[in-house]
Amino acid sequence: ETGVTQSPTHLIKTRGQQVTLRCSSQSGHNTVSWYQQALGQGPQFIFQYYREEENGRGNFPPRFSGLQFPNYSSELNVNALELDDSALYLCASSAEQGRSPLHFGNGTRLTVT
Amino acid sequence: GENVEQHPSTLSVQEGDSAVIKCTYSDSASNYFPWYKQELGKRPQLIIDIRSNVGEKKDQRIAVTLNKTAKHFSLHITETQPEDSAVYFCAASRSDMRFGAGTRLTVKP
Repeated sequence: ETGVTQSPTHLIKTRGQQVTLRCSSQSGHNTVSWYQQALGQGPQFIFQYYREEENGRGNFPPRFSGLQFPNYSSELNVNALELDDSALYLCASSAEQGRSPLHFGNGTRLTVT
Repeated sequence: GENVEQHPSTLSVQEGDSAVIKCTYSDSASNYFPWYKQELGKRPQLIIDIRSNVGEKKDQRIAVTLNKTAKHFSLHITETQPEDSAVYFCAASRSDMRFGAGTRLTVKP
């Protein structure tokens, strides 16, 4: 059973740039969620995708967007990067939205300078 | 949306003592409550979970209790060991999962 994988592991961007983070969900999982985790904080919910459609969103601006593909992999796109976007971005997949455990990837550490 | 509050933010215990972490949630429709452990530089990993139709669940040294009426749930770790030192997160879910701010547990040998 292949777990959740994320790429890249680390990324450095300049304020104003755009970034795309990628995630492959665990086999058999149809739901993907993205979280932002600032240092010393809990994971903050960005959004969730189920069957290629966004079906839940946290308190993040529209410059945070995403996609889910037919194979259930997913992308997180962030436009117009700000310094406060520096964080660990975690992707998690689950077999049943909202009612089963999230399985996390190792995350992408994004630094915005 | 769901709001999860977690206390305390830091907890230090002696090896062998018990540790208790408490969480409250705001959405009465939430029906799934997992707990995650995150070691430094690693991904959060599920340690135990409970569903809304159950009041208590135990797995070896770890137990979780749920009070739906009061909308709070707790994690209990007995006979703590140094390897229990980590950050623990509670979460509540109806259709998407929201996390508490975390508790940094330190177990002193």
